[in-house]
Amino acid sequence: QKEVEQNSGPLSVPEGAIASLNCTYSDRVSQSFFWYRQYSGKSPELIMSIYSNGDKEDGRFTAQLNKASQYVSLLIRDSQPSDSATYLCAVIDYAGGTSYGKLTFGQGTILTVHP
Amino acid sequence: AAGVIQSPRHLIKEKRETATLKCYPIPRHDTVYWYQQGPGQDPQFLISFYEKMQSDKGSIPDRFSAQQFSDYHSELNMSSLELGDSALYFCASSPRQGLNTEAFFGQGTRLTVV
Repeated sequence: QKEVEQNSGPLSVPEGAIASLNCTYSDRVSQSFFWYRQYSGKSPELIMSIYSNGDKEDGRFTAQLNKASQYVSLLIRDSQPSDSATYLCAVIDYAGGTSYGKLTFGQGTILTVHP
Repeated sequence: AAGVIQSPRHLIKEKRETATLKCYPIPRHDTVYWYQQGPGQDPQFLISFYEKMQSDKGSIPDRFSAQQFSDYHSELNMSSLELGDSALYFCASSPRQGLNTEAFFGQGTRLTVV
């Protein structure tokens, strides 16, 4: 089983709607969580980071973390066609009691926002 | 703002040849990570460096080696290239290693082995 699991989608939402992207992780020592956006053939672009339980908002984006349920999500409000991309969930965890910042990615969710 | 710079952007090599990829991190970032992303795959961690020393190692083949230099730039050397090495190679940098640290990715090098 992959350490970080995402709904592979594709997820299609109309322009102006809320897009909800979900991610679960298997390693209980996972501590830091990130959402990256990746356009086809381009590099991952950091959208949000979240380290403690609860919600974190940045513009149209809200990340939610529930460590007890091992679940992290990303909400995109007022979705725009330019939000159409692959969204990658990533975690950093301890490796033998030490963390060197290595990211473990989910397989990504393809989001399409249609006009 | 300055970003992570990778070169070359595209590279075509024949089987069994050697390739060198370069990465220049964001200024004052002392940690560099290398990732490989195959078609339709998520990025896979290869290797990382902190303060010019290797800090972590992932699924990097023995045919590959890497180092970080005194100016913090890093190079990934790939020898005896195979068709399966064709992928996007990303370098990322962060201001420190550890848990709550954000990593920023370069534009990547697309390696095609023919």
